[in-house]
Amino acid sequence: SQQGEEDPQALSIQEGENATMNCSYKTSINNLQWYRQNSGRGLVHLILIRSNEREKHSGRLRVTLDTSKKSSSLLITASRAADTASYFCATDLTNAGKSTFGDGTTLTVKP
Amino acid sequence: NAGVTQTPKFQVLKTGQSMTLQCAQDMNHNSMYWYRQDPGMGLRLIYYSASEGTTDKGEVPNGYNVSRLNKREFSLRLESAAPSQTSVYFCASSEGLAGYNEQFFGPGTRLTVL
Repeated sequence: SQQGEEDPQALSIQEGENATMNCSYKTSINNLQWYRQNSGRGLVHLILIRSNEREKHSGRLRVTLDTSKKSSSLLITASRAADTASYFCATDLTNAGKSTFGDGTTLTVKP
Repeated sequence: NAGVTQTPKFQVLKTGQSMTLQCAQDMNHNSMYWYRQDPGMGLRLIYYSASEGTTDKGEVPNGYNVSRLNKREFSLRLESAAPSQTSVYFCASSEGLAGYNEQFFGPGTRLTVL
């Protein structure tokens, strides 16, 4: 069974708008990571947030983590057409040394 | 730096045929992974190698075998391909354990089993 699940499954916005996607998970984690996948390509790492962190920023990306609710959100501000991609959260099983990916949110940014 | 490379990029097999997917990384990473991605879904871990000389099963290991040939190379073998193994296969590597470290992904191998 999958550890992380993203919501919504698909999101369509206009260029310049903000995009928010969420990830919920089931068991305790050490870290949560977000990845991006452009169509037909491999995944690219965006950001890692540790369980003792509540918020992290990287450029136009803002990630929050609420361990009490077992959820994380990824906010992309001032979106661009180039942000069109699928976004996945990956959670580690504590000390398992491997990550489990959700099914992703497909983001479409219209120019 | 080529990063993570995979061969072949595309492959069509008939049911029952065997093949090996090759993966190599030039980042001196300790850990390597094989995932499969079915249409509209996330990645599922097939096998991983936390360090040279070790391999472990992931979520969906049935029908696959792996070899960590050396620190750079990690191959995935399908002994008797089945249509259910039609998927895109991604290899990844990380400096340390995946839960704690960024994974770097290859471009993928698109496999069709007829």
